[in-house]
Amino acid sequence: GNSVTQMEGPVTLSEEAFLTINCTYTATGYPSLFWYVQYPGEGLQLLLKATKADDKGSNKGFEATYRKETTSFHLEKGSVQVSDSAVYFCALRGSNTGNQFYFGTGTSLTVIP
Amino acid sequence: DTAVSQTPKYLVTQMGNDKSIKCEQNLGHDTMYWYKQDSKKFLKIMFSYNNKELIINETVPNRFSPKSPDKAHLNLHINSLELGDSAVYFCASSQEVGGRDEAFFGQGTRLTVV
Repeated sequence: GNSVTQMEGPVTLSEEAFLTINCTYTATGYPSLFWYVQYPGEGLQLLLKATKADDKGSNKGFEATYRKETTSFHLEKGSVQVSDSAVYFCALRGSNTGNQFYFGTGTSLTVIP
Repeated sequence: DTAVSQTPKYLVTQMGNDKSIKCEQNLGHDTMYWYKQDSKKFLKIMFSYNNKELIINETVPNRFSPKSPDKAHLNLHINSLELGDSAVYFCASSQEVGGRDEAFFGQGTRLTVV
């Protein structure tokens, strides 16, 4: 079956620290992979995506590389800011999963000054 | 223009009432979804519609009924509300192009049943 497993939170970091949120997946076929971010009181917004192996998605200083050999899509940022405090969701979607998206459980990040 | 809009943003109601949440997308997408997010932020798919046809109907009580009058709208009607229905409900849409595109989410409806 299809599933996404991501690092449990909450994660608390100091401003300018390095961030890694781990995400691994199980899927048949070749899924697209996504990271979504949810700021307090808001809906989910796409942060970045990768549609095939070895693609790197990047946005707002965040990066994630689609690693087929390790079935991973870890999110990284070199220097976090207070404004990055949010919940981050890893997700997959593939052509043989129909229209369905599979989301991880979310990782809450708090960045303190 | 908001891509996926849902109303109302907040809904407080008493147990036993019937309520609806409306969702509209102006992206021209073929597929729309309803998700429930609990207090721990876990997202659970409830329904998925493709071109007005039900595709996914996960195990949710039959008090929940989606209605899709056209492919730009997917409304959620809930009968006989219970305390456990309190959650944030998100509408989303995506384009069905080989199933590889991202989903776009609405801002959510926070439902509180008292």
